[in-house]
Amino acid sequence: DGGITQSPKYLFRKEGQNVTLSCEQNLNHDAMYWYRQDPGQGLRLIYYSQIVNDFQKGDIAEGYSVSREKKESFPLTVTSAQKNPTAFYLCASSLGGTTGELFFGEGSRLTVL
Amino acid sequence: GQQLNQSPQSMFIQEGEDVSMNCTSSSIFNTWLWYKQDPGEGPVLLIALYKAGELTSNGRLTAQFGITRKDSFLNISASIPSDVGIYFCAGHYGGSQGNLIFGKGTKLSVKP
Repeated sequence: DGGITQSPKYLFRKEGQNVTLSCEQNLNHDAMYWYRQDPGQGLRLIYYSQIVNDFQKGDIAEGYSVSREKKESFPLTVTSAQKNPTAFYLCASSLGGTTGELFFGEGSRLTVL
Repeated sequence: GQQLNQSPQSMFIQEGEDVSMNCTSSSIFNTWLWYKQDPGEGPVLLIALYKAGELTSNGRLTAQFGITRKDSFLNISASIPSDVGIYFCAGHYGGSQGNLIFGKGTKLSVKP
């Protein structure tokens, strides 16, 4: 079945460690996104990529990094520079265009101990 | 920056009741969208609206794109227990694919 797969579902990290969240899609979508969700908050855009080997910062990119070497994959690294990394992270993809119709993965919950 | 004001923040529903929520902004949007998120999962698109004044239904859900392009509402008729979750409005103001803003959500719970 086509869809977006995020892994791991749950992740624990010690302070000062970098961690990479995986996002893979088999929908043949051009655009991919990473959002952060905190309790009671909407979704805030971290990074997005409209095409392979290109990506742009979103509203809260500080302390995060991404790569887009393949169309199917858009991993997110949460670095030690991110001051408050505990959150629910959502990956999404879209066909392209500018309609806002996103397909989301099931999310990854990161907890910093 | 652009912001969406979504209300109410939370509400309790009893099976069979109609539910209404809305989203407003001081900015104009080209597209309004409504998503639903179940606990521990990613949001799922319910309805997308592309034209001012557009009224669209998806089963028991009805949404409208406001005439001023600054607001949208979502109605759920005859609610059922599986309607519980968080509903997000989102507005896209064109240009880059990153130009999508989400409201903070309306949490639907079942009345005790």
